[in-house]
Amino acid sequence: AQSVTQPDIHITVSEGASLELRCNYSYGATPYLFWYVQSPGQGLQLLLKYFSGDTLVQGIKGFEAEFKRSQSSFNLRKPSVHWSDAAEYFCAVGYNFNKFYFGSGTKLNVKP
Amino acid sequence: DTEVTQTPKHLVMGMTNKKSLKCEQHMGHRAMYWYKQKAKKPPELMFVYSYEKLSINESVPSRFSPECPNSSLLNLHLHALQPEDSALYLCASSHEAGGRTDTQYFGPGTRLTVL
Repeated sequence: AQSVTQPDIHITVSEGASLELRCNYSYGATPYLFWYVQSPGQGLQLLLKYFSGDTLVQGIKGFEAEFKRSQSSFNLRKPSVHWSDAAEYFCAVGYNFNKFYFGSGTKLNVKP
Repeated sequence: DTEVTQTPKHLVMGMTNKKSLKCEQHMGHRAMYWYKQKAKKPPELMFVYSYEKLSINESVPSRFSPECPNSSLLNLHLHALQPEDSALYLCASSHEAGGRTDTQYFGPGTRLTVL
């Protein structure tokens, strides 16, 4: 069965520090992978996506993610976090008929 | 432009009321979606419209009734809701439809409170 796991419910980092948010998926075929960010009470904004090709993908706001098929992972990274990055981050897998399966989310807090 | 708009931003309704949520996109996308999101939870898919036809209903109670009048507009009609239906309702759209996976672009949501 398809599933997406985000092991970290909450993460706190200091402003300027690096960030890595973990995402593991379980899916039998080639996955379509997405990272979205959601500020409180807002919709989801697409950060980046992986469909095929280069396994290191660049997104908006300085984020990047690396697809590792051997580890079934698609971790999100940012070299230097800004206070405005505080939000909830969702990893998603897209599969048949454009259905998305979302992870449970990771809430990022940024310390000044 | 990847904008999906939703109205209203907030809605408070009683359990006997009838109300509607509206979603609009002008990107030429052929698939549109309704999601429900409870606090501190990921979005849950409710309905998918593909080429203006309902293609997926995730066993949603009949008190939620979707409608797709044209390729740019998606409505969600609400009737006899329960307090547990209070949530953020998100609309999304994608260019591809008919079974192909594609990026979904989300609107800002409607915060619904059922009293």
